[in-house]
This record gives sequence, C-alpha cells and structure tokens, in this order.
Amino acid sequence: AQTVTQSQPEMSVQEAETVTLSCTYDTSENNYYLFWYKQPPSRQMILVIRQEAYKQQNATENRFSVNFQKAAKSFSLKISDSQLGDTAMYFCAFMNSNSGYALNFGKGTSLLVTP
Amino acid sequence: ETGVTQTPRHLVMGMTNKKSLKCEQHLGHNAMYWYKQSAKKPLELMFVYNFKEQTENNSVPSRFSPECPNSSHLFLHLHTLQPEDSALYLCASSQATGGEQYFGPGTRLTVT
Repeated sequence: AQTVTQSQPEMSVQEAETVTLSCTYDTSENNYYLFWYKQPPSRQMILVIRQEAYKQQNATENRFSVNFQKAAKSFSLKISDSQLGDTAMYFCAFMNSNSGYALNFGKGTSLLVTP
Repeated sequence: ETGVTQTPRHLVMGMTNKKSLKCEQHLGHNAMYWYKQSAKKPLELMFVYNFKEQTENNSVPSRFSPECPNSSHLFLHLHTLQPEDSALYLCASSQATGGEQYFGPGTRLTVT
C-alpha cells in the first residue's frame, strides 16, 4: 500500500516570503505520479502542480516548484513570493496503477499567509 | 457551466432518510471519482468509474450506492447513514484514469 506523509500540520509565512511544504511517500513502484493540490477556505480543490516519477527535472508552475527526490521518496513544494491568496490547505497526493489511478492523499498542511 | 459541479452543496439528513448526491462534469472526461473528506483525516477514495464502469470500490459500506449513467454524471445514493458518515463528499473527474483530476466544490453532509 502507498502512504503519503505530510509532517507539518500548520505553517505560516509572511507575504512575499518563500515557504516550503514537505511530503514523503512510501511505495515499491517505479512508475507513479505525484501531485500537490490546494484547497482554499471555499473548499474547491485545485491542482497546483504535477510530477511524473520518470522525469528527473523538477516541475514548476509560476511561483510554485517542487523538489522531487526519488531515492529519498520526497516531494516538497516551494511557494515563492507568497500571496494572501495562497492561504489554503495543501495536500500532497500519489497515484499509480496499483491504486486504480486514484489519488492517495496526505493529511494536508494548513498554510496561512500573513500581511 | 464549466468544470465539475455538485449538488446539493449542503445536506442534512436523518439516519432513516434516503438522499442522493449528484455530480456533473463539463470537461469531456471519461473517469469520475467519489472521495470522502472527514475532519483531521486524509481524503479517502470511495469509488472510481471509467467509461461508466466501476473499476474501484474501496471497501465502502453498502449504505453508499454509486451510479454512473454516462461519462458526464455520477450519483451517490445514500440510505440509513450513520452520524460518522458526516463529511464533505468530493467528486472528481479526469480524462482517463491516471490523468489529472479536477474536483467539484463538494457536498457538506450532516447525518443527524
């Protein structure tokens, strides 16, 4: 079974600063996908970024980037130039064929961006 | 309407009631999912449908009954629920199983 661990239940960061959210996972598979999802207080879950395990290059999406360390089974999310609208729950998720391509989520990190 | 919609957004029901949750996706996707989000727990997969066929049932109690009449619509029929079933129920869709999943806003269910 795959497990996803987010060890930081809550974090805060000041506007314009950089913050890194950690995620580790456990799998014996070689081919899989990793995701970061954002769930603002309005509750709509939004995809932030996606990483394919076979790609060595770290994914980036504007202010969001990941540090994917396959050997260490680590998949952290870096948010640069934090904005008030980044305040949300952030979920790390794992997917592969063994899970029927459904998402296995971590418990989430609640991020608060302060002025 | 765009994206993934869910109705109702809020639902309060007694333990003896029968109700249904509806999900509709306007993205042309072929796979749809039901997840349960409880407080202080990771999101839990409930069901997966691919091309209207159920491909995953994650040991969900029979008081939850899914229905997928076509690739755009997904229902979750509820009957004789328990208070511990109170949660946010999220629907998602993807182009195919394995693709990026897009979520609806969820239905906040309270069982009294």
